[in-house]
Amino acid sequence: GQQLNQSPQSMFIQEGEDVSMNCTSSSIFNTWLWYKQDPGEGPVLLIALYKAGELTSNGRLTAQFGITRKDSFLNISASIPSDVGIYFCAGPPPRDNYGQNFVFGPGTRLSVLP
Amino acid sequence: GAGVSQSPSNKVTEKGKDVELRCDPISGHTALYWYRQSLGQGLEFLIYFQGNSAPDKSGLPSDRFSAERTGGSVSTLTIQRTQQEDSAVYLCASSLRRTSTHTDTQYFGPGTRLTVL
Repeated sequence: GQQLNQSPQSMFIQEGEDVSMNCTSSSIFNTWLWYKQDPGEGPVLLIALYKAGELTSNGRLTAQFGITRKDSFLNISASIPSDVGIYFCAGPPPRDNYGQNFVFGPGTRLSVLP
Repeated sequence: GAGVSQSPSNKVTEKGKDVELRCDPISGHTALYWYRQSLGQGLEFLIYFQGNSAPDKSGLPSDRFSAERTGGSVSTLTIQRTQQEDSAVYLCASSLRRTSTHTDTQYFGPGTRLTVL
């Protein structure tokens, strides 16, 4: 099946630092989604990307859809304690371009040190 | 309005028993999804409903797993003869509708944590 890889797997950063994480696939994706999951909660959509090269911001978050369509990155600027959580990339497999059967990456676990 | 709700929030069962997990989607959402999340892992797609029908059951791991949706609303995921490897958090999500241009946003419930002893 389709595989998404995320790096880093986990990271510890100081409050106020910028964070960068990425997601890669061996196959082309036509939609990239970034979710955040807090402990004991379901994932919440942060940013959706629909076009290669697209750069989208949501507050302190910025995500880009890679030109190759095989990767995406998420940046968080000036991290704060509430940024702690697991960040997942996801997308519908290429065979189902506008479908709903998402594939999720394994996640990047972010911990912020005060 | 209310978000996606799931019950129970936690379920502990003995190996071999059957369990039912319930999902109440956001009112008016026609699409409903079930995922499984093992400890420290990403989400694994199980099944998707559009209305009451399930166009894609490809993610169900075995014939012990089944799901139904009635009235275009509530869905139940049933696991028969549970095994220890079934232990995971089972997440439900719903979305408004399937579009031809964009992937609809999926709103997730808090999940049901299943532990099979």
